[in-house]
Amino acid sequence: RKEVEQDPGPFNVPEGATVAFNCTYSNSASQSFFWYRQDCRKEPKLLMSVYSSGNEDGRFTAQLNRASQYISLLIRDSKLSDSATYLCVVNAGTASKLTFGTGTRLQVTL
Amino acid sequence: DVKVTQSSRYLVKRTGEKVFLECVQDMDHENMFWYRQDPGLGLRLIYFSYDVKMKEKGDIPEGYSVSREKKERFSLILESASTNQTSMYLCASSLAGTGDEKLFFGSGTQLSVL
Repeated sequence: RKEVEQDPGPFNVPEGATVAFNCTYSNSASQSFFWYRQDCRKEPKLLMSVYSSGNEDGRFTAQLNRASQYISLLIRDSKLSDSATYLCVVNAGTASKLTFGTGTRLQVTL
Repeated sequence: DVKVTQSSRYLVKRTGEKVFLECVQDMDHENMFWYRQDPGLGLRLIYFSYDVKMKEKGDIPEGYSVSREKKERFSLILESASTNQTSMYLCASSLAGTGDEKLFFGSGTQLSVL
């Protein structure tokens, strides 16, 4: 079983739609969680951290479910500019223990 | 804003060549990383450094070495390049701290080994 698993997609959604991605992790000792965004042929950039109580940043909501060992990202009112690959990242306790998922590709269309 | 600069965007080398990939960050971060990214495999950690002259092997260190002589610079060395090292190489840096470190990436070097 992979340490961090994501549905690769692609998720094709119309502008204005709400879309959600899940990411599961296998290490129950994982301590911190992140979503990164990666545009085509670009470097990953931090989108948001994921906190135990859930957190929101504008149209983006991240949630953590420790019991079931998954995190989620919800995007409301999708924009064309949201088209990208979203990487789930899990930290098992030290900087060198970051594990990346392979990413979920989102394509927002007119 | 943190800036992480990688010396080359594209690089083409021949099998057996020694290859140097350079990375410089300007935010005084303690931690620096080298990853490679391949389709379907995601980002995999090659080496990590948490201080000058300190290094730690990542998940796939074979065929690679690193050098960190100055805090701002972290070099990845392919001792004898092979075709299976064709990949996108990403350097990153972060502040040392609590385990909630956020990574800042360079724009990547697409290396092709022929």
